[in-house]
Amino acid sequence: GENVEQHPSTLSVQEGDSAVIKCTYSDSASNYFPWYKQELGKGPQLIIDIRSNVGEKKDQRIAVTLNKTAKHFSLHITETQPEDSAVYFCAASIGGNQFYFGTGTSLTVIP
Amino acid sequence: NAGVTQTPKFQVLKTGQSMTLQCAQDMNHEYMSWYRQDPGMGLRLIHYSVGAGITDQGEVPNGYNVSRSTTEDFPLRLLSAAPSQTSVYFCASSYEGTRTYEQYFGPGTRLTVT
Repeated sequence: GENVEQHPSTLSVQEGDSAVIKCTYSDSASNYFPWYKQELGKGPQLIIDIRSNVGEKKDQRIAVTLNKTAKHFSLHITETQPEDSAVYFCAASIGGNQFYFGTGTSLTVIP
Repeated sequence: NAGVTQTPKFQVLKTGQSMTLQCAQDMNHEYMSWYRQDPGMGLRLIHYSVGAGITDQGEVPNGYNVSRSTTEDFPLRLLSAAPSQTSVYFCASSYEGTRTYEQYFGPGTRLTVT
């Protein structure tokens, strides 16, 4: 089955700096790569996603890049704010009905 | 729309007891999934369904059963609870859009097995 690895497990940045979280996947058939933000006591919420026919996608301060050849994808958050502090998960999916998640990155933005 | 709802929010079971975690969605999504979340391990797929009457196993199906008799409901049954099943359980639903398979998660059920 699919195996998704995520690094780093914890990340601290100063407010206003950028944060980068990286994931790798093993199954070349995976074609959908979402990123989720999870706040304490809540379920994960989709923040950005990318399909395998696209190399980069941006939504305001958040961007995702995908390298299909190397089987890795990354989340970039610019101009970080304290409210960005949360746990972030990457995932990979084939066809949108089975999702395999990374182990999460706990991001702390220091004011 | 209520989105994805889960009941109960909290549950304590004794080893060997059985119970059903309820999940419902009102968005007419064809896909539904159950995950468990344990510290340091992310979310792991237990079972999933691609439509009413169709279910399949995920990464960690042992000790759990599911059924999908309607599009809206996807209950998860613990047959004989074990301490290893202490976890937070999330239900999710998703659909195939033109550019996305966005998953919507419920608020979770925190289960403790003693």
